[in-house]
This record gives sequence, structure tokens and C-alpha cells, in this order.
Amino acid sequence: EDQVTQSPEALRLQEGESSSLNCSYTVSGLRGLFWYRQDPGKGPEFLFTLYSAGEEKEKERLKATLTKKESFLHITAPKPEDSATYLCAVRRDGGSQGNLIFGKGTKLSVKP
Amino acid sequence: DSGVTQTPKHLITATGQRVTLRCSPRSGDLSVYWYQQSLDQGLQFLIQYYNGEERAKGNILERFSAQQFPDLHSELNLSSLELGDSALYFCASTGITGGTTGELFFGEGSRLTVL
Repeated sequence: EDQVTQSPEALRLQEGESSSLNCSYTVSGLRGLFWYRQDPGKGPEFLFTLYSAGEEKEKERLKATLTKKESFLHITAPKPEDSATYLCAVRRDGGSQGNLIFGKGTKLSVKP
Repeated sequence: DSGVTQTPKHLITATGQRVTLRCSPRSGDLSVYWYQQSLDQGLQFLIQYYNGEERAKGNILERFSAQQFPDLHSELNLSSLELGDSALYFCASTGITGGTTGELFFGEGSRLTVL
């Protein structure tokens, strides 16, 4: 069964304290791994797409990496405005565009 | 602002009732997706429409149905509501390339509470 598991469920950091979020997946034929950010009361907002093991993408303080079994979202020197729930999703081979399997997310809190 | 509009933002109703959620995609986007987000299940894909036609189905209950109209707006109909249907319902849209890169543009959701 295709599955996406994110850990930890929640993470509290002090401003400037770097850390990583994990997304492990089992899927029959990966056709992309995606990271989204979701603020309270809002819809998810797209961050990155990764397609193959070894690929990396960066955006400001965020860096996403991909291996054959998992992805990491590294957060360097986070700020309070980085507080949000980060969602990982995969599209499997044969899946329609936009038919993504999401993990339950990691809720990140960054304290000043 | 993602450009995707959903109404209503909040809806409270009773078990056994029927509700309709509405979504207007980004200008020019032909694909519309409906997702359900609950605390225990996370975001779950329900159904996709492309230019008025059903394109893919996920874990959508038979009590639920959707359609996409010629102006590309979409409606999700939920009937015979149960307590367990309480959730956030998101609509998302993509353009021609968005679906390939995985960049879905989500609306702010409709929060349904069934009492």
C-alpha cells in the first residue's frame, strides 16, 4: 500500500536553531515528491518538487533533499514566520496529475 | 492569494442533510481537484475534473458527488451527512504544466461541521 509518513508530528525550535523534518514513503513507482506549507486556516502552499534520488531544491531557509526511501526538509536558522505545518506528498506511477498522497504533516513552531 | 475561491468558508449542518460546496479555480486553469482534510486522516484526494469531465477518483464516498460547469467552476455535493464527514474540504486547481510539477493551487477551504 502506498504510504507517506512524516516525523516528528510536532517540532519546537528556538529562532536560529536549525533542524530537519523527515518524510519517508513507500510508493509503487515514484513520479514526484512534493513539499507544501500550510498555515492555520489556509490551504497548502507549494514549496518544492523533487523527482529523483540525489536531487536537492532550495528556497530561502529551506532545503529539500530526496533519497530512494525518504526526503528531508532542512530548515536553517529558522525565524518565527517559518512556523507552519509542513506537508509531504507523493505522486505514484499511473496516478493522475494532482492526485497526491499526503502525509499527516509536521507542525513546526519557532519561538523568538 | 492563490486565486482559487471557495465558498462557504464555514458551514454547520445536521446529520442527514445535504450541502453544496463551491469552487472557482484560477483564471485559465482547466483542472479542479477536491481534497478532504480531517485530523486523523490528513489530506485525502477525492476527485478530479478536467474541462468539465471527471478525470480521476480517489476515496470519495458514494454519498458525495461533484461536477464542473462550462465556466469551469466546480461544486462538491455532500448528502446524507454523518458526523464523520466533519472536515475541511479543499479545492485546488492547476494549469497545463502545474499538474506535472505537482504545483497545486489550493483555496482556503470550506470547514464543514455536522452536528
